[in-house]
Amino acid sequence: GENVEQHPSTLSVQEGDSAVIKCTYSDSASNYFPWYKQELGKGPQLIIDIRSNVGEKKDQRIAVTLNKTAKHFSLHITETQPEDSAVYFCAAKLEGFKTIFGAGTRLFVKA
Amino acid sequence: GAGVSQSPRYKVAKRGQDVALRCDPISGHVSLFWYQQALGQGPEFLTYFQNEAQLDKSGLPSDRFFAERPEGSVSTLKIQRTQQEDSAVYLCASSLDRGQEQYFGPGTRLTVT
Repeated sequence: GENVEQHPSTLSVQEGDSAVIKCTYSDSASNYFPWYKQELGKGPQLIIDIRSNVGEKKDQRIAVTLNKTAKHFSLHITETQPEDSAVYFCAAKLEGFKTIFGAGTRLFVKA
Repeated sequence: GAGVSQSPRYKVAKRGQDVALRCDPISGHVSLFWYQQALGQGPEFLTYFQNEAQLDKSGLPSDRFFAERPEGSVSTLKIQRTQQEDSAVYLCASSLDRGQEQYFGPGTRLTVT
């Protein structure tokens, strides 16, 4: 079945610096790759997503890149702010119903 | 508008007790998902409903887990004879349709003692 690996598990950056989180997936049939932000005591919230026919997508300070050949995708956050501190999950979805999540990256942004 | 709501937010059960967790999806959302999130891990798929039909229950860990959505709106996840390994946050998500963005509720934190 599909497996998603996510690195690093913890990331600490200074406010204003960039943060990069990387994921790999195993099933080449996966065609949808969402990223979620989860704050303490809340459910995951979609922050950006990318489909397999696109290589890069940007939304203000957040960008995602996808390399289908290598089965890699990454989240880039620029000009980080303290409110970006949270746990971030990558995920991969095949045709059908299941979304497979990575184990998460805990991001700390130091003011 | 109102998001996905779940109740209770916290549940403590003694081992062997049955529990029922409720999910109220966003009105009009056809698809509903249940996930289990262990401490420090990502959510793991449990089951999926399209309206009242349970189309995939392959993620349910054992036959002690049962989910229903009888009228295609509110859903209940039931766990019978709870065990310590059932302790986790149970997340519900809904989407307008199968391929659309999933909106998550805040989760129910279940602790089995």
